[in-house]
Amino acid sequence: GENVEQHPSTLSVQEGDSAVIKCTYSDSASNYFPWYKQELGKRPQLIIDIRSNVGEKKDQRIAVTLNKTAKHFSLHITETQPEDSAVYFCADLNAGNMLTFGGGTRLMVKP
Amino acid sequence: DTAVSQTPKYLVTQMGNDKSIKCEQNLGHDTMYWYKQDSKKFLKIMFSYNNKELIINETVPNRFSPKSPDKAHLNLHINSLELGDSAVYFCASSHSSADTQYFGPGTRLTVL
Repeated sequence: GENVEQHPSTLSVQEGDSAVIKCTYSDSASNYFPWYKQELGKRPQLIIDIRSNVGEKKDQRIAVTLNKTAKHFSLHITETQPEDSAVYFCADLNAGNMLTFGGGTRLMVKP
Repeated sequence: DTAVSQTPKYLVTQMGNDKSIKCEQNLGHDTMYWYKQDSKKFLKIMFSYNNKELIINETVPNRFSPKSPDKAHLNLHINSLELGDSAVYFCASSHSSADTQYFGPGTRLTVL
């Protein structure tokens, strides 16, 4: 079945620094790649997504890049703030329209 | 006016019992899902359902069954609960199976 690898599993940065989380996927037919943020005890919430017909998408301090040839995509957060601290999940939608999630990255932003 | 809601928020029960978790969405979406998030925070799809098709993750035991009384509801029934069923269960919905999924608040199930 589809496999999504996410790295790193934990990431600690200083406030104001950038954070990058990377994911690789195995199903070459995957065409939709969302990123979710989950705060402690809360639901996963979509923060940005990208479809396979574009290579990059940006929304204020958050950007996602996609390399379909290499089958990897990344989340970039610039000017990190303490409220960015959470667990971030990448996912991909495979040919069967099932979302497969990565293992999550716990981001800690130190003030 | 919560878009995707679940009840109960917490559920504590004994091994061997049968329980249900309810999910409702008021977004007019056609597709609903159930996910399981284990203690290591790993999120795994259990079911994908619309009014035409039920897709079951092959790893889900047949003690779990989704039931949809109408397009806005997808309930999860679990028979003969086991210790390993303890987890947070999230309901989600999307406009179609290829669109963004929106998650409910989760139900923390603890099996004693």
